[in-house]
Amino acid sequence: GAVVSQHPSWVICKSGTSVKIECRSLDFQATTMFWYRQFPKQSLMLMATSNEGSKATYEQGVEKDKFLINHASLTLSTLTVTSAHPEDSSFYICSAGWVNTGELFFGEGSRLTVL
Amino acid sequence: AQSVSQHNHHVILSEAASLELGCNYSYGGTVNLFWYVQYPGQHLQLLLKYFSGDPLVKGIKGFEAEFIKSKFSFNLRKPSVQWSDTAEYFCAVTGDNYGQNFVFGPGTRLSVLP
Repeated sequence: GAVVSQHPSWVICKSGTSVKIECRSLDFQATTMFWYRQFPKQSLMLMATSNEGSKATYEQGVEKDKFLINHASLTLSTLTVTSAHPEDSSFYICSAGWVNTGELFFGEGSRLTVL
Repeated sequence: AQSVSQHNHHVILSEAASLELGCNYSYGGTVNLFWYVQYPGQHLQLLLKYFSGDPLVKGIKGFEAEFIKSKFSFNLRKPSVQWSDTAEYFCAVTGDNYGQNFVFGPGTRLSVLP
């Protein structure tokens, strides 16, 4: 299957700072990538759909100014958590896939801890 | 809106026992159904998927799932589990609007005792 990679896999930052998480499709081009958040012992919650060359589409309740998404190329999408606070601590996962099969491939996830 | 429920939060089995994990969805239209697995410390991987055709689908590692439209169910089964099957299992559904309607169930943690 296709490979989606995230970096960093683990990041710790101070409250008030910004953190950038990268999501790359390694062996295919992805015009659309998805960003999820996973709370402990809970399922994945779709945060936003990242579209190459255009603005991301955010789900209801997700602050677009806090979670900045940039999809500058067909293989890279970035999620920047701005002015992070402890409540932003979570596991962030990206995915990409093919529209015609509805199949998604997931990154390893990035665990953010805000002190 | 779509929703997915999974019957069990945590299932504990001994090796060689049979497994069935329940999944029910709520959606009025055509659905595509998936089971994903997340092994400890690893990313989500696709186990199997159903789009159309034979409602009994076979996936990797001996897993299979049956789509029962009348029951809105897509239960995952394996006749004999192994210790290496210990993982978190997620049922997911996507409707006509692929991606934005890709909804995951809450997950079932499977622990297989050696």
